[in-house]
Amino acid sequence: KNQVEQSPQSLIILEGKNCTLQCNYTVSPFSNLRWYKQDTGRGPVSLTIMTFSENTKSNGRYTATLDADTKQSSLHITASQLSDSASYICVVSVESMDSNYQLIWGAGTKLIIKP
Amino acid sequence: GAVVSQHPSWVICKSGTSVKIECRSLDFQATTMFWYRQFPKQSLMLMATSNEGSKATYEQGVEKDKFLINHASLTLSTLTVTSAHPEDSSFYICSLAGRTYEQYFGPGTRLTVT
Repeated sequence: KNQVEQSPQSLIILEGKNCTLQCNYTVSPFSNLRWYKQDTGRGPVSLTIMTFSENTKSNGRYTATLDADTKQSSLHITASQLSDSASYICVVSVESMDSNYQLIWGAGTKLIIKP
Repeated sequence: GAVVSQHPSWVICKSGTSVKIECRSLDFQATTMFWYRQFPKQSLMLMATSNEGSKATYEQGVEKDKFLINHASLTLSTLTVTSAHPEDSSFYICSLAGRTYEQYFGPGTRLTVT
């Protein structure tokens, strides 16, 4: 069964600190892995997309890693800011037989940054 | 990336009435759009895939006669919730498929059925 699991479920850190969010997946056939940021009451915004051959990708203070062998990904946030408070969702894309793709969504990690 | 808008951003309606939600692509011609539903503290759930000029493809468990989808043009898709019930209260989000795997999401529409 295709599944994406994220941990922790929620996380509270102080402003300026770093943090790392985890994503484990059991998905086949793997196409790509995405990290989205979703503010409360808003649609998701893409942070990174990584294909099988990519190990790391950065977007400003966000750095995502991918280990396709262990089927794990992480999202590292550096020097957190209050505006980083949001849900961070890991999504894995599965390529289907008709060349379309299906997105398998994780439940998200709710990150709260405190001043 | 593409800019996606939704209208309205929030709506309150009475049980039994119908509500139409619009999803517009402002700067990108999208042959495929997606409609999602998100309940509180849960992740997005795909409802249907909307293809311009053809019928939408609904996910298992989603009633196509209740959630009417019309993808009339490359920049507009609409979702109509017919005979709404309180359990339809949710956050509805559309997205469009961009190039190379990317999906661009709208800001969402909060529907409350009383």
